Amino acid sequence: SQQGEEDPQALSIQEGENATMNCSYKTSINNLQWYRQNSGRGLVHLILIRSNEREKHSGRLRVTLDTSKKSSSLLITASRAADTASYFCATDVKAAGNKLTFGGGTRVLVKP
Amino acid sequence: KAGVTQTPRYLIKTRGQQVTLSCSPISGHRSVSWYQQTPGQGLQFLFEYFSETQRNKGNFPGRFSGRQFSNSRSEMNVSTLELGDSALYLCASSLGVQGLGNTIYFGEGSWLTVV
Repeated sequence: SQQGEEDPQALSIQEGENATMNCSYKTSINNLQWYRQNSGRGLVHLILIRSNEREKHSGRLRVTLDTSKKSSSLLITASRAADTASYFCATDVKAAGNKLTFGGGTRVLVKP
Repeated sequence: KAGVTQTPRYLIKTRGQQVTLSCSPISGHRSVSWYQQTPGQGLQFLFEYFSETQRNKGNFPGRFSGRQFSNSRSEMNVSTLELGDSALYLCASSLGVQGLGNTIYFGEGSWLTVV
């Protein structure tokens, strides 16, 4: 099974609403990263949060990390149609030689 | 600064054939990683190369191989293609080794269809 699992698998919201997605993982990590992928394209890096950080912001994005619960959340505020994409969390696992392991992703649809 | 460039973008191959995909990392980046993305299995790590050495390898059969050249450009090869190898193959580069806080930057991918 995947190290990182996103929840929900799919999310449909209206433009202007907030979108929240979660990522849970199983083993200790060095850091956790969030990526966005538009249909059929490459992944774009959004935010990296280190294991000793609890919250980070970047524009309309807010990421939290709770290492005690082995979970992270990505919040997109005031969503736009252009935010329609799949969002992936990727964990950098200490025990796995530091290779990034991606979750299954959350497909977000923002309706205008 | 040019991003990660992958060629070809689209290709169709027949079962049993072999294929070579190419990746040019961002200038100055020494780590190149490869991922396979399919609807069923999601994003799966293939391997990482750093300074021409394979640093990490995922759980793929030996038909999947790769290499990195002295200019950091990388190629991956899949031999004896199977229908299940149809996927989007993504290359990513980073300044340092994957993980340890290094952001990885992805190319647009190579779409491989095996018929």
